[in-house]
Parts: sequence; C-alpha cells; structure tokens
Amino acid sequence: GESVGLHLPTLSVQEGDNSIINCAYSNSASDYFIWYKQESGKGPQFIIDIRSNMDKRQGQRVTVLLNKTVKHLSLQIAATQPGDSAVYFCAENTNTGNQFYFGTGTSLTVIP
Amino acid sequence: EPEVTQTPSHQVTQMGQEVILRCVPISNHLYFYWYRQILGQKVEFLVSFYNNEISEKSEIFDDQFSVERPDGSNFTLKIRSTKLEDSAMYFCASSNDRGPYEQYFGPGTRLTVT
Repeated sequence: GESVGLHLPTLSVQEGDNSIINCAYSNSASDYFIWYKQESGKGPQFIIDIRSNMDKRQGQRVTVLLNKTVKHLSLQIAATQPGDSAVYFCAENTNTGNQFYFGTGTSLTVIP
Repeated sequence: EPEVTQTPSHQVTQMGQEVILRCVPISNHLYFYWYRQILGQKVEFLVSFYNNEISEKSEIFDDQFSVERPDGSNFTLKIRSTKLEDSAMYFCASSNDRGPYEQYFGPGTRLTVT
C-alpha cells in the first residue's frame, strides 16, 4: 500500500533561522501533496499544496519542493518564528479518490 | 474566519457502547470527511461524503461505522459497538472543492473506550 514517511521526527531551530522539513513517499502514482501543521490540541491546518506537474510552490514564508525522481517532498519555512512550533505532516493523494495518506509527522520546536 | 467545529471535545465510553461524534462543517462546503489518529500514529482517512452519500471509504470504515448529515449543518460519525482499539482522536474535515483539496479540519474529538 501507499507509504508516506518523514525523515526526522524532531527538529529544533533558532528563531529567525530557516527550517526544512522532509518527507518521503513511496507511491509513484501520487500526484497531489499537502503539508499540514498541527498545533497541540488542534486539528491539522492546511499550509500549502503542490501538484505533481510542479516542482516548487511558494506561499507566505513557506516553500514546498517536490522531487518526483526520488519521491521526496520538503517544506521550507523562512525566518522561523515561535508560532511555527508544531507537528508538520505531509500527505499524498493519487487523484483516484479522496483518500489522503499521511506521514507520521515531524515535531518542529523553535528556540527563542 | 469560518471554521469546522466538533463536539464533544472528549468522549469516554465503555466497550460495546454506541457513540456519535458530531461535526459542523464550514457552511458553504460540500464535501465532508472523517479521519482518525490513534495516539502516536498517523492520521488515517476513514470516509468522505458528498451529496448525502458516502463517496469513498477506507478499509478501516467497516460496518460498525456510519455517517450521516441529519440536517443542513451537522455531519455525524456513529460507532455502533465501540472497541478498545477505537480509542483515538477523530477529526472531521470539509472542503468546497471536488476531491480532497484544501480540506479544513476541526479540532477533533478524543474518544476513549474503556
């Protein structure tokens, strides 16, 4: 079955530094990906998405990079702030239905 | 900003009992979803719902589960005879676009089965 995993379960960065969170996926048929942020006690919050016909997409302070050759996804957060501290999930979809397959999550801690 | 709400925030039930988890999706959304997250594990898709019927379900969503949109605002997940392994966070989500795009999640209901 599909498998989505995160390389690093925890990541600590200094406030103001850039953060990079990585995700590997195993289903080459996946063609749509989302990064979610989950703060303690809350549901996942959509951050940014990317379709497989793109290799980069930018949002406000965030950039997602997609490398289909190695089935790798990354989320870059610029000028990381304390409010960015959360667990970040990647999720993939194969466009054959509504199912998303989520990764385990990376816990990002921003050190003031 | 509109948001998905869920009640209760925490539900404790005894094994074998029925529970109903409630969700109020964002008002103009047409697609509704339930997910669960067992403690320390991945978020898992359960079911999607559109136009008053299930559009897709996972293998987790067996006969003990059912969903309903009883009125124009609520979306419910019923677990008929709870098992210990049903203990998890249950998230409702909604979107206004065909497919899984830009789903907005509620805060979740923590279900504890004893």
